[in-house]
Amino acid sequence: GAGVSQTPSNKVTEKGKYVELRCDPISGHTALYWYRQSLGQGPEFLIYFQGTGAADDSGLPNDRFFAVRPEGSVSTLKIQRTERGDSAMYLCASSLLGQATSPQYFGPGTRLLVL
Amino acid sequence: AQSVSQHNHHVILSEAASLELGCNYSYGGTVNLFWYVQYPGQHLQLLLKYFSGDPLVKGIKGFEAEFIKSKFSFNLRKPSVQWSDTAEYFCANRGSGNTGKLIFGQGTTLQVKP
Repeated sequence: GAGVSQTPSNKVTEKGKYVELRCDPISGHTALYWYRQSLGQGPEFLIYFQGTGAADDSGLPNDRFFAVRPEGSVSTLKIQRTERGDSAMYLCASSLLGQATSPQYFGPGTRLLVL
Repeated sequence: AQSVSQHNHHVILSEAASLELGCNYSYGGTVNLFWYVQYPGQHLQLLLKYFSGDPLVKGIKGFEAEFIKSKFSFNLRKPSVQWSDTAEYFCANRGSGNTGKLIFGQGTTLQVKP
């Protein structure tokens, strides 16, 4: 079956611009996670959705970052006034349930480069 | 804050050599430990997981890991590596709170020479 998909695969933008990154989870998965991975590091948690609501957004670095999941399926990560330090791989994962015992399936990621 | 440490950043082995990758976690209540692998050009995939019970867990592709509570460790092992095991390996622990968020280590790049 179809896995987690993310678009675009690559995004190049200029400092100060606004970007949106999209995640399509596996059909039927209620939990959705966003992570950010910088070069040479492991993924860092950003935000977790259970259904339509953000159940844990403790990993968002500042108020320039925002994410939505209006219908409990597709999610969009939005970054305002991008900075060079936002350059990273943004990963999305989904799981059937929002519990640690429910395996997370990762997408291929969106590589963001802020010039 | 919770953390996960992987001691080896880059490991180079010859085929048929034995592998052990170190992982230590900081205590954060309930322990749910994972090893993920990322093969070149592919997504992160789950290798194995530990929630409770037998501390020696077996995963896919001949990998296993041992949970040692007294050492806060969850090392990954494979008796005989293959060239196809060349990949990046990440250890992860469940984050705080009743969610599935994961805290990852910084990763270990394994290069297996044919």
